[in-house]
Amino acid sequence: GQNIDQPTEMTATEGAIVQINCTYQTSGFNGLFWYQQHAGEAPTFLSYNVLDGLEEKGRFSSFLSRSKGYSYLLLKELQMKDSASYLCAVRDSNYQLIWGAGTKLIIKP
Amino acid sequence: IAGITQAPTSQILAAGRRMTLRCTQDMRHNAMYWYRQDLGLGLRLIHYSNTAGTTGKGEVPDGYSVSRANTDDFPLTLASAVPSQTSVYFCASSAEAGGTGELFFGEGSRLTVL
Repeated sequence: GQNIDQPTEMTATEGAIVQINCTYQTSGFNGLFWYQQHAGEAPTFLSYNVLDGLEEKGRFSSFLSRSKGYSYLLLKELQMKDSASYLCAVRDSNYQLIWGAGTKLIIKP
Repeated sequence: IAGITQAPTSQILAAGRRMTLRCTQDMRHNAMYWYRQDLGLGLRLIHYSNTAGTTGKGEVPDGYSVSRANTDDFPLTLASAVPSQTSVYFCASSAEAGGTGELFFGEGSRLTVL
């Protein structure tokens, strides 16, 4: 079966750096997405990786290793507003998105 | 304001009743999707439409139906609601079905079936 694994919850301190990991086993691979979802709101797009390596976008970076079935989202200079759930999703060989359950990130002052 | 509009935002429904969740987008996106989100689970695809006039079944289609008569609208119907359909429902769209296109989500419809 297809599976996306990410930690259920993480805690970090304001101003620090946090890395959220995502491992996947899917039938084929056509890209990996990260979304941010604040409580009670809709998911919003953060990043997309299809080739191995690091994609940087401001305070957020996303890394992909296709051979390891692994990605991480790196958040720098954490702010209180970064408290949210972070969803990892993989597009499979049928171009359907398979979603992880999300990682709830709690930022403490 | 461009985007996706869902209605209603919240609804309590008696089991056995019929319910239609509405979804409208004004971005002229070809692909549209309906997901449900339940605590502890990832978003699960119910139905999708790659272009107007076509629809397909997702991971959890049973008990739901959709139609795509035009580009903008993609309603989701529960023919006879059951308590296990209590969930938050998100409509989403993307410019095309594949490629690098991100999904844009509506604000969600919280449905409680009693």
